[in-house]
Amino acid sequence: DVKVTQSSRYLVKRTGEKVFLECVQDMDHENMFWYRQDPGLGLRLIYFSYDVKMKEKGDIPEGYSVSREKKERFSLILESASTNQTSMYLCASSSRGAGGSPLHFGNGTRLTVT
Amino acid sequence: AQSVTQPDIHITVSEGASLELRCNYSYGATPYLFWYVQSPGQGLQLLLKYFSGDTLVQGIKGFEAEFKRSQSSFNLRKPSVHWSDAAEYFCAVVPRKGGGNKLTFGTGTQLKVEL
Repeated sequence: DVKVTQSSRYLVKRTGEKVFLECVQDMDHENMFWYRQDPGLGLRLIYFSYDVKMKEKGDIPEGYSVSREKKERFSLILESASTNQTSMYLCASSSRGAGGSPLHFGNGTRLTVT
Repeated sequence: AQSVTQPDIHITVSEGASLELRCNYSYGATPYLFWYVQSPGQGLQLLLKYFSGDTLVQGIKGFEAEFKRSQSSFNLRKPSVHWSDAAEYFCAVVPRKGGGNKLTFGTGTQLKVEL
């Protein structure tokens, strides 16, 4: 089974801190994604990556950046955390395909910014 | 604009009753269609997907979904709900051309099961 591991289940950070959310997958997937999940809004795509050192903006990239130095690892960075970034963050991966490859999700990181 | 809609935010059913969760999409051409489930405190798990062919798709945990092109819908069904089905359900789509693997999710339907 594919395993997507997010390093923290819960994080509490202060406004202005630099925050790193880490995600590792063990199935040699080319594609990796970061979503944020908020009540009533569903999942919204922040950034994604189709290959090492490659990144593309999703629907809500403002205030975030990402890093993919190795194929199995995809990091989400909040350069200066703000309270409106309090949310559940979900990492996902999938194999390269024409669009039908299902996503495999981690269990999420619940981030609180105070 | 392209979108996916789940009209029901909350649904409550009795254990053993049937279930239907609605999903409608607005795309120029039929996209790839998915249903995911999220149990409390967990990530999302794929229930089923539709690419082409038979419009009635079988998934895991006894779920099925029916694609109806004329209604731009992909509704999820289960004949008899179990208490363990209480979760949040997400419909998701990706365009067949140019979508890559970027899924767009609906806002979710929270299912409560009464014993």
